[in-house]
Amino acid sequence: GENVEQHPSTLSVQEGDSAVIKCTYSDSASNYFPWYKQELGKGPQLIIDIRSNVGEKKDQRIAVTLNKTAKHFSLHITETQPEDSAVYFCAASKRGGFKTIFGAGTRLFVKA
Amino acid sequence: DVKVTQSSRYLVKRTGEKVFLECVQDMDHENMFWYRQDPGLGLRLIYFSYDVKMKEKGDIPEGYSVSREKKERFSLILESASTNQTSMYLCASNPGAEDTQYFGPGTRLTVL
Repeated sequence: GENVEQHPSTLSVQEGDSAVIKCTYSDSASNYFPWYKQELGKGPQLIIDIRSNVGEKKDQRIAVTLNKTAKHFSLHITETQPEDSAVYFCAASKRGGFKTIFGAGTRLFVKA
Repeated sequence: DVKVTQSSRYLVKRTGEKVFLECVQDMDHENMFWYRQDPGLGLRLIYFSYDVKMKEKGDIPEGYSVSREKKERFSLILESASTNQTSMYLCASNPGAEDTQYFGPGTRLTVL
């Protein structure tokens, strides 16, 4: 069935370093790829998304890249700060489908 | 600002009890979702609804039912709670199939 694999499950970086989280999806019909950040005690919130007609999107320190051929997409956070510490989920969905498939999550620790 | 609220942040119930989790969204969204979040497993879809009185099973519907009598409200029901239903439950909504999902803060349910 449809699947999204996410790596790594845990990531620890020093403040100021970059962090990269990678996801692979199985359904080639997927065309919408959001990334969510979940802080402690809160529900996930969208931080950036990308659609299949775009290869890269950037918003300040956050960027997402998409390789449709390889069915890979990645989240890049530059100049990490302690407040970036959270669980990050990648996800994929497709036109005409109601379901969003989520990755298992990456727990990011940013050490001050 | 989209707001999704859930009736309880923490809930403790006993095995065999009937449990109601309520979710309300204030943005007139068509779609509403119930997820279960467990460590290492990401977000798993229990049920979703794309219209009033309409419901569809997700990936793990066993032991759960739902009700959507009004557009803004989506309830998750555990007919007879069991210890393996101890988990974090997240409600979400979105206006369309390919749109961002907006999550509530979650209900942490413990079944003793």
